[in-house]
Amino acid sequence: DTEVTQTPKHLVMGMTNKKSLKCEQHMGHRAMYWYKQKAKKPPELMFVYSYEKLSINESVPSRFSPECPNSSLLNLHLHALQPEDSALYLCASSHHGGELFFGEGSRLTVL
Amino acid sequence: AQSVAQPEDQVNVAEGNPLTVKCTYSVSGNPYLFWYVQYPNRGLQFLLKYITGDNLVKGSYGFEAEFNKSQTSFHLKKPSALVSDSALYFCAVRDIGSQAGTALIFGKGTTLSVSS
Repeated sequence: DTEVTQTPKHLVMGMTNKKSLKCEQHMGHRAMYWYKQKAKKPPELMFVYSYEKLSINESVPSRFSPECPNSSLLNLHLHALQPEDSALYLCASSHHGGELFFGEGSRLTVL
Repeated sequence: AQSVAQPEDQVNVAEGNPLTVKCTYSVSGNPYLFWYVQYPNRGLQFLLKYITGDNLVKGSYGFEAEFNKSQTSFHLKKPSALVSDSALYFCAVRDIGSQAGTALIFGKGTTLSVSS
């Protein structure tokens, strides 16, 4: 099973809403990632979790709050987002030093 | 700092012809290099990687890449292109300077268009 599952696939939210993106993997990977991708641009790293601990925060605004409840799950909590935050949010996982396996992404639209 | 460059925004090739998507890298130590493909409204799919060993790396869907240390390049190739290969291709390097040591840094991407 080489799959990273992301839900929801699509999300529309207002600037005052609170929502969450979810990611799950069962490959035994101990590194998990959130990337943000704008159309036809490369993914931009947001957060890295290593052994369920946040190891990298690429100066992401506090309106994005990551959470890693266990080794298989990764959440991204969203609050008071701006329209410019609309993007495809990609979750990925890997063994340390290995290639990343990506989910299909959650397409977020902020109105 | 680690970085990769993809000099071409778009590559056009006829079906059945060989294709090359270019990538050059800049790293302070040994490079760990990757190629990914992204179809519209989809996530990134891993194609192949170079860590060490043979300079010619074979990957998924008939793709291969040639690592050239003297030219600091890692070009993606396929002997015979298919229309279904049309997609956005990303070269990436592993950022060994990051705390986790596993974060990937991506090039800007190259759109491959294969015509029938």
